[in-house]
Order: sequence, then structure tokens, then C-alpha cells
Amino acid sequence: AQSVAQPEDQVNVAEGNPLTVKCTYSVSGNPYLFWYVQYPNRGLQFLLKYITGDNLVKGSYGFEAEFNKSQTSFHLKKPSALVSDSALYFCAVRDPKADKLIFGTGTRLQVFP
Amino acid sequence: SAVISQKPSRDICQRGTSLTIQCQVDSQVTMMFWYRQQPGQSLTLIATANQGSEATYESGFVIDKFPISRPNLTFSTLTVSNMSPEDSSIYLCSSRDRNTGELFFGEGSRLTVL
Repeated sequence: AQSVAQPEDQVNVAEGNPLTVKCTYSVSGNPYLFWYVQYPNRGLQFLLKYITGDNLVKGSYGFEAEFNKSQTSFHLKKPSALVSDSALYFCAVRDPKADKLIFGTGTRLQVFP
Repeated sequence: SAVISQKPSRDICQRGTSLTIQCQVDSQVTMMFWYRQQPGQSLTLIATANQGSEATYESGFVIDKFPISRPNLTFSTLTVSNMSPEDSSIYLCSSRDRNTGELFFGEGSRLTVL
């Protein structure tokens, strides 16, 4: 069965510092991986995805994610964090047979001024 | 990308009552998805709704508790029936963007059951 794990409930980082939000996956076959962000009292917004090709995927708001097949990871990164990046981040994997997304438990990112 | 509007955005409900959440997409879509996000937890898929057919429910969710309508290609409703405090959650409607193929979401309906 497809699954993703987000080992950190919360990540704290100072504004201007690089940030990493971790995600590992377990899939049968080729992984389709996604990152979504949820701002307070808002729905989810798509950030980026990996389907195939370059292991470094660039997305919205300056975020990027690195697909690492040997480590089965898809960590979200940003070189310089902003206070406005503070939100809840979800990693997800698509189950191609069922055409649905399976979400991780979420990581709350807190960026301090 | 397309836009999803959900109503109500939030509500406080009494135990034993039912509430219907509406989801309107600004373009025609084949599949619509209903998710539940319980407090402090991730999103769980409730069901997939295709226009003109019965919704497909995930394990642990049943039609009697969460009846879904899908009368046309831009609209769906989810009813939370006979509510209990355990149903207090954010309910999110989503669909797939026709151009990018990615899931996009409404802003959610936050239900509190007393």
C-alpha cells in the first residue's frame, strides 16, 4: 500500500535561514509525490510535485523538493525562510490504481522573525 | 487554476442533527473528492463522486452517514448525518485541475458538533 510519513510534527526556523520539512514514502512502483500547504483557516494549496525526471523539483513561493530514490525521501526545502511561510505542510502520494491522494500527518512550520 | 467554493465555511451544530455542505466548482470536472480533516490530524478521503453515478466510499465511511449528491459537473453536496461530537472536523471538497491534473481544494467547512 502507498504511504507517506512526516516524522516531525513541528519545525521551527528563524527567518532568513534555510528550512527543510521531511517526508519519506513507501510505494509499489514509481512514486507520484506531492507537497501541499495549508494556511490558517484556508484550504490546501498545491506547492509542487514529482512524477519523473529531474530529482530537484521547483514549486510555488520559492519552495523546492528533492526526490531521493535510495532514501525513499521527498524533503521540502527553501533556501531562506519567511515568516509568511508559517503554515501546515502535507506530503502526499498518489495511488495510481485508485487515482486518489494519500496524505501524511502534516508538519507545522513556524518561522520566527 | 479552477476555484472551489464551499458553504458553509463554518457551523456549530447540535448532536443528532444533519448538515449539508455545498461545493461549487467554477468549471466542469469529472471527479470530485470529499476529505475530512479531524482536529490536529491529516486529511482522510471520505468518498469520490462522479457525475451521474453513485459515490465511491472509502473504508470506514458509509453512505447512510455521509450521503453525497453530484447532480452536475460543477456541483456536489456532502451531508453529515446524525452528527455527534466525533464528527467535528474540517470537511474539504476537491477536484482535479483540467490543465495540470493536480488536486485543488476548497477552503473547507469547519463543523463543530456540541
